[in-house]
Amino acid sequence: DAGVTQSPTHLIKTRGQHVTLRCSPISGHKSVSWYQQVLGQGPQFIFQYYEKEERGRGNFPDRFSARQFPNYSSELNVNALLLGDSALYLCASSLAQGEWEKLFFGSGTQLSVL
Amino acid sequence: AQSVTQPDIHITVSEGASLELRCNYSYGATPYLFWYVQSPGQGLQLLLKYFSGDTLVQGIKGFEAEFKRSQSSFNLRKPSVHWSDAAEYFCAVGPLHGSSNTGKLIFGQGTTLQVKP
Repeated sequence: DAGVTQSPTHLIKTRGQHVTLRCSPISGHKSVSWYQQVLGQGPQFIFQYYEKEERGRGNFPDRFSARQFPNYSSELNVNALLLGDSALYLCASSLAQGEWEKLFFGSGTQLSVL
Repeated sequence: AQSVTQPDIHITVSEGASLELRCNYSYGATPYLFWYVQSPGQGLQLLLKYFSGDTLVQGIKGFEAEFKRSQSSFNLRKPSVHWSDAAEYFCAVGPLHGSSNTGKLIFGQGTTLQVKP
């Protein structure tokens, strides 16, 4: 079975642009979470979606938004990119909310903002 | 505020030596506790978790961790390190028992493990 897949794997953008990152959860998983991992730090929670509804949001500005589609895949959008948005963006999926022991992470999208 | 501290940013051990990675958390009660490993260019892989019960938990790849409530610690150990264990290790905490599960894990800043031959 395929794991959590994220696309693209690498991305280079310039300041002020917007970006869309994509995540396909493991088949059957209905919950998707997004994390930002800046170099040298641990991942920070951005969003959680379950059954296409936002169920949690971290301390990120409104430039960050996300959505979940009927097939449970998800997109993370970031507008007006800043240099500080350069990071590895990780997606994680689970069957349902709170399924900690069954939380699986993708390999991430490495975003570089120049 | 909830927080996780990994005091050691970088640790170097010789292959075959024992390993202990430290993790301290700040919470009002016992949270869910996790250790993840991240190899270069890879996502996070769950090594082990503690929810309740026996305070010594066994994980994959020969790792174990011990929850000590009195010290608010959840240290990761391995009796004999292999060269393939070189990676970044993250301690994380989840929502408090009984609270709403919003999917939010709080991670420490990580410990980089280097293994000398």
